[in-house]
Amino acid sequence: DQQVKQNSPSLSVQEGRISILNCDYTNSMFDYFLWYKKYPAEGPTFLISISSIKDKNEDGRFTVFLNKSAKHLSLHIVPSQPGDSAVYFCAASERDDKIIFGKGTRLHILP
Amino acid sequence: DAGVIQSPRHEVTEMGQEVTLRCKPISGHNSLFWYRQTMMRGLELLIYFNNNVPIDDSGMPEDRFSAKMPNASFSTLKIQPSEPRDSAVYFCASSLKTAYNEQFFGPGTRLTVL
Repeated sequence: DQQVKQNSPSLSVQEGRISILNCDYTNSMFDYFLWYKKYPAEGPTFLISISSIKDKNEDGRFTVFLNKSAKHLSLHIVPSQPGDSAVYFCAASERDDKIIFGKGTRLHILP
Repeated sequence: DAGVIQSPRHEVTEMGQEVTLRCKPISGHNSLFWYRQTMMRGLELLIYFNNNVPIDDSGMPEDRFSAKMPNASFSTLKIQPSEPRDSAVYFCASSLKTAYNEQFFGPGTRLTVL
């Protein structure tokens, strides 16, 4: 019974275009959301986060949007670059407790 | 500036053998997490410690799994006896606090149980 769901196992996007990765959650008590990026043979690294009191957070090419009523968040990467090819994990937390991760989405940036 | 250190990086063992995975968190971090990554289940939290005390071990699959944190700079995850279905990548992560602070992951240990 997954509390954080990433329904797209993989996504291919042309270099220079926008990449949109989606994530849904079921626990309405989650108040903090994160995205992690993972390259092969490495551990995940933190990318960007958002508190439930906000609906958008931007950091350079990366923007996370949160829709609490729909229990949905998304990560936008604009413009997509070859180095963005990786697995992206969506994660959520309740009251500064443990983080629950989704299964991940593999992003392929096509030349 | 060393990050989270895990050893070994790769472990191949036979079913029934004991396996011990090791982790050294980033100095000064007071929370430590053990995760397991598989294709089927993604990244699962097994157990986490705060100030060397286990806080939540609800993710530990069964009694064959145990974890210890004898001091702030060392933790182990032990599987005894190991089974083929334990094959996965095991990650250790540390942070200054729990969720609201960034977790720093180690490179992982790829475990293969034959």
